[in-house]
Amino acid sequence: GDSVTQMEGPVTLSEEAFLTINCTYTATGYPSLFWYVQYPGEGLQLLLKATKADDKGSNKGFEATYRKETTSFHLEKGSVQVSDSAVYFCALNPSGNTPLVFGKGTRLSVIA
Amino acid sequence: DAGVIQSPRHEVTEMGQEVTLRCKPISGHNSLFWYRQTMMRGLELLIYFNNNVPIDDSGMPEDRFSAKMPNASFSTLKIQPSEPRDSAVYFCASSLGTGTYEQYFGPGTRLTVT
Repeated sequence: GDSVTQMEGPVTLSEEAFLTINCTYTATGYPSLFWYVQYPGEGLQLLLKATKADDKGSNKGFEATYRKETTSFHLEKGSVQVSDSAVYFCALNPSGNTPLVFGKGTRLSVIA
Repeated sequence: DAGVIQSPRHEVTEMGQEVTLRCKPISGHNSLFWYRQTMMRGLELLIYFNNNVPIDDSGMPEDRFSAKMPNASFSTLKIQPSEPRDSAVYFCASSLGTGTYEQYFGPGTRLTVT
């Protein structure tokens, strides 16, 4: 079935370091891909999305490119801040009227 | 808009008691989702509704769990009787539809069953 695999955390980085969180997916057809972020004590919120191959989603300095050939949607940020500490979820919508399929989440801790 | 509203934010109850969690989705949203989040299992989809109709409840763990959506602005998730293993954070989310629409999550209800 459709699934999302994320790199296991936790990931600990120093402020201003480069961030990559890997995400690969398995799906039939042409899914839409998402990154959600969950700050401590809050619900998830959409960070960025891409709906077709080669699209790049971006928001708040984060980027991810939809790579159909490698079935990947890796999240990157050039310079992380302490305020980026959160849990990041990769997700996909297989097609049509179906709910999102979420990965297990990757916890990021950024230290000053 | 106030966003998705959930109540209560925290619930502590004893094993065997009935628990009711409440959710008010964003006005105009047609889809509503209930999730459970634990350290062990991560984020699990329990059930979702389209236009107040339950579409898929295959994620509901047992018959002790039930969910209703009597109208477009209100949904409940009930656990009866509750057990310690039900302790988790329960999230409600709503969206304009399924598919590529963004899901908006509520702040969650942290349930502790002793």
